[in-house]
Amino acid sequence: KAGVTQTPRYLIKTRGQQVTLSCSPISGHRSVSWYQQTPGQGLQFLFEYFSETQRNKGNFPGRFSGRQFSNSRSEMNVSTLELGDSALYLCASSWDRGEETQYFGPGTRLLVL
Amino acid sequence: GENVEQHPSTLSVQEGDSAVIKCTYSDSASNYFPWYKQELGKGPQLIIDIRSNVGEKKDQRIAVTLNKTAKHFSLHITETQPEDSAVYFCAASKGGSYIPTFGRGTSLIVHP
Repeated sequence: KAGVTQTPRYLIKTRGQQVTLSCSPISGHRSVSWYQQTPGQGLQFLFEYFSETQRNKGNFPGRFSGRQFSNSRSEMNVSTLELGDSALYLCASSWDRGEETQYFGPGTRLLVL
Repeated sequence: GENVEQHPSTLSVQEGDSAVIKCTYSDSASNYFPWYKQELGKGPQLIIDIRSNVGEKKDQRIAVTLNKTAKHFSLHITETQPEDSAVYFCAASKGGSYIPTFGRGTSLIVHP
């Protein structure tokens, strides 16, 4: 079974631009969560989608948004990029809300200049 | 909300030694405790997990113990090898609709 895939793997953007990251969950998984990972803050939860609905949201500004499609694929968007948005963005999928085990993708490394 | 503390932040051992990483959690309702290993340039990978109705679980050189009364759980790696070098994360979850809370990670370095 194929794992969680994320595209692109690397991105370089400049301040003020916007970016869209994509995540394809493991086949059959309906829950997709997004995390921001930085050396200083560790793994921080952004939001979780289940059946195209945002069910949980972390403590991030409104510049961070996401969506999920009917095939469970998910995208996250960051508008008006800031230098502090430079991080590894990880996507994790799980079977459904009752299945706690999350499986992570390789991440997208975003560098904001 | 749930708070997970993980220690140590860095652990350096010689090949063949054992390594122990400890985590404590605050919410007594947490009932699922996974451990992840993250190698350089990769996403975290689940290596072992334990549920609250079990005190210990083993998988070859890796074991996890859980003390629900004290609200702490530990990862034990025996006969460490250089390929065990990575960052290890613990997490605690209440299951259902709850998102897991992660520890800050432990960088394990195994010297040949």
